[in-house]
Amino acid sequence: DAGVIQSPRHEVTEMGQEVTLRCKPISGHNSLFWYRQTMMRGLELLIYFNNNVPIDDSGMPEDRFSAKMPNASFSTLKIQPSEPRDSAVYFCASTRDGFRTEAFFGQGTRLTVV
Amino acid sequence: GENVEQHPSTLSVQEGDSAVIKCTYSDSASNYFPWYKQELGKRPQLIIDIRSNVGEKKDQRIAVTLNKTAKHFSLHITETQPEDSAVYFCAAISNFGNEKLTFGTGTRLTIIP
Repeated sequence: DAGVIQSPRHEVTEMGQEVTLRCKPISGHNSLFWYRQTMMRGLELLIYFNNNVPIDDSGMPEDRFSAKMPNASFSTLKIQPSEPRDSAVYFCASTRDGFRTEAFFGQGTRLTVV
Repeated sequence: GENVEQHPSTLSVQEGDSAVIKCTYSDSASNYFPWYKQELGKRPQLIIDIRSNVGEKKDQRIAVTLNKTAKHFSLHITETQPEDSAVYFCAAISNFGNEKLTFGTGTRLTIIP
């Protein structure tokens, strides 16, 4: 397995534009997580899905953020409209089952909003 | 919810010496404590984890200890090598409300050759 695959690796966009980040979890994993990493706040959980169903989205900072998981092999995180303070590295991770098994992280998407 | 504090934020040790990173947590019901290593520009990767039914776990040069009474756990790296240089994150499961993994703020470990 190629591991968790995220795209794009880097994204530079102008304030106000829509940004879509993509993730393909490891086949057979039933839990998927979106994290945001910044120097100031560290690793923050934004949302997680179990069997494609959103379980906890309390970490999503604002209504500008939304996430979907239409099937077991694909998830998106969308920011609309984007703002400079959204600049961060966004990681997707997957596990076999919830939080108590090893999380495999993707390589991350470095988002810069100018 | 869970609050995980991690110390120190930066740590420099001479190659071959030991490094210790400490974390405390607030939820006494927490029972799973993983440690992740993130090399510069790379993704976090699990290096070791411990569950509350044991007090210590070792894997070669890495060990983790857990003190449930005091609500703290520590990562010990012995015989440090340059490739140990990275940011290390501790984490704890919170069972308050929806189950969630809360990460510490990270420790930047630098091994001095």
